Amino acid sequence: EAEVAQSPRYKITEKSQAVAFWCDPISGHATLYWYRQILGQGPELLVQFQDESVVDDSQLPKDRFSAERLKGVDSTLKIQPAELGDSAMYLCASSHRQGELLETQYFGPGTRLLVL
Amino acid sequence: KNEVEQSPQNLTAQEGEFITINCSYSVGISALHWLQQHPGGGIVSLFMLSSGKKKHGRLIATINIQEKHSSLHITASHPRDSAVYICAVSGNTDKLIFGTGTRLQVFP
Repeated sequence: EAEVAQSPRYKITEKSQAVAFWCDPISGHATLYWYRQILGQGPELLVQFQDESVVDDSQLPKDRFSAERLKGVDSTLKIQPAELGDSAMYLCASSHRQGELLETQYFGPGTRLLVL
Repeated sequence: KNEVEQSPQNLTAQEGEFITINCSYSVGISALHWLQQHPGGGIVSLFMLSSGKKKHGRLIATINIQEKHSSLHITASHPRDSAVYICAVSGNTDKLIFGTGTRLQVFP
């Protein structure tokens, strides 16, 4: 069964360093999401791509976070510089939207980030 | 007040018990999702529903659009059901608004 792949699974970094996370969605899924989940809370959408275009990045802290999906397939989320409060689980999900029909989102295993 | 509220926050049960997790929302939605998250972090989508009831194995999800309420039921619970169960809603866009989750522990 096709899965969303993410790497690394775990990342420990010091504050002010740069970190990058990678996501490979299910083949054929045009929509890709990056979420941040702080311990004990539900996920929060950071950015949503439709193919290579950003359709929602209203909750992305753009002073330090950036995301790209250059070829409309895999995606990278970067934080520079990392802050202590960025410690969280970063989840990637993808879905196959067909016209106006909403589809189930499929989640990757996540990248757990710890900033020291 | 959160747009999606779940109850209870924590739930313990003995193996075999019938379990109910509730979700209430305050916004207009096109669909409601129930998700399962195991300690390793990965999230699995259990149901997406916009009306009525869906069943998959021992899991049943219901939604009442008028009352803006959904329930997730687990029949004959098992220790492997132990996880965090998350309710999320989507409106006209794909954007999901998540509840904070219900942590379920089922003991043998």
